[in-house]
Formats: sequence, structure tokens, C-alpha cells
Amino acid sequence: QKEVEQNSGPLSVPEGAIASLNCTYSDRGSQSFFWYRQYSGKSPELIMFIYSNGDKEDGRFTAQLNKASQYVSLLIRDSQPSDSATYLCASSGGGADGLTFGKGTHLIIQP
Amino acid sequence: DGGITQSPKYLFRKEGQNVTLSCEQNLNHDAMYWYRQDPGQGLRLIYYSQIVNDFQKGDIAEGYSVSREKKESFPLTVTSAQKNPTAFYLCASSIMTSAAEAFFGQGTRLTVV
Repeated sequence: QKEVEQNSGPLSVPEGAIASLNCTYSDRGSQSFFWYRQYSGKSPELIMFIYSNGDKEDGRFTAQLNKASQYVSLLIRDSQPSDSATYLCASSGGGADGLTFGKGTHLIIQP
Repeated sequence: DGGITQSPKYLFRKEGQNVTLSCEQNLNHDAMYWYRQDPGQGLRLIYYSQIVNDFQKGDIAEGYSVSREKKESFPLTVTSAQKNPTAFYLCASSIMTSAAEAFFGQGTRLTVV
């Protein structure tokens, strides 16, 4: 069974610092990985996706993928209070047959 | 504006009743999905459809039914056979590629009273 594991947190980070969010996945056939941000009571919104080993940067966000270790991470630089949310990691097997989600990490940015 | 519209935002159901949640998209996406989210949990896949008039069960399909008569529409019916239907239901759509990110509607919060 495909599984995506995340530490539920809460992860507390001071404003302006780097927040580091991690997830691991069980299915070696997973090809693409996604980070979603979800505010309380709202639907998830896509932050980044990655499918090649290494780093991918977009503004303050960097996604990292290590397929050998089955490990995905998201770094948020210069953290802002508005970054406080639950971050969901998801994997895709390569077809349009749905994403497998982790339970999410609750991130709190302390002003 | 392109997007995914779910309705209603809040829905209350009496035990033993069937209810239908609406999902419409104008993104011209072929694939559509229904997920369920419980408090403190990730999203779990109920059903998905990659083409009109075809759909597949996800991980937790029991007690649910869907139809895909139009590319734009993918309604979900929560039947009386679903023993614990109170949850946040999310509809999503994507294009048909291996790196296709899913875009979500605003969700429907269903409560059994």
C-alpha cells in the first residue's frame, strides 16, 4: 500500500527563520511529488511540485527530492506569520489516478 | 475565471438520507477526483474519473457513488450505506500527465444530524 509519512507537528519557527518540512514515501514507483498548503477550514493550494532528484526553487520555497532515500522536503526561507498553515505532502504514481497524501505538518511561525 | 466550483459549502444530512455534492470545472481538465478529509488527517481518495462515462474506485469508495456524464461535472452521492459520512469533501481536477498537479475546489463540509 502506498504511504506518505509526515511529522504532524506542530513545528514552531521564529519569523524570518528557515522552516524545514519533511516527508517520506513508501512506493518506489512514485514519480512526482507535491507540496500543498492548507489553511484551517480551507481547501489545499499547490505550492510546488518536483519530479527530478535535487532541488527546485520558487521564490522563498525550495523543494528537495532524494529518490534513493525516498525523501522529499520543503524549505521556506524568511518565514512569515502568513506561512502558518498545515503543509501536505503528496505523491503520484505517474498516471492521473489520484495523489497519495500524508497527514500534513502543522507549521506555526512565531512573530 | 477558470476554476473548480463545489456546492454547497455546508450540508446537513439526516441519518438514512442520500445527499449529492456538486463539482463543476471549466479548466478543460480530463481527470477529476473526490477526496475526503477528516480532522487532523490527510486526504483520502474516494473516486476518480479520467474520461467521460468512466470512473474508478479509490481507497475508500464504499458508501459513495459518482457519475461522469459531462467532462465538466463529477457529482458525488453519499449514500445511507456510508456509516460515518461527517467530513470535509474536496473535489479536484487535473490534466492527464504524469506530473499533473491537482487543483481543488473550495470544499463541502457535510455534517450528519
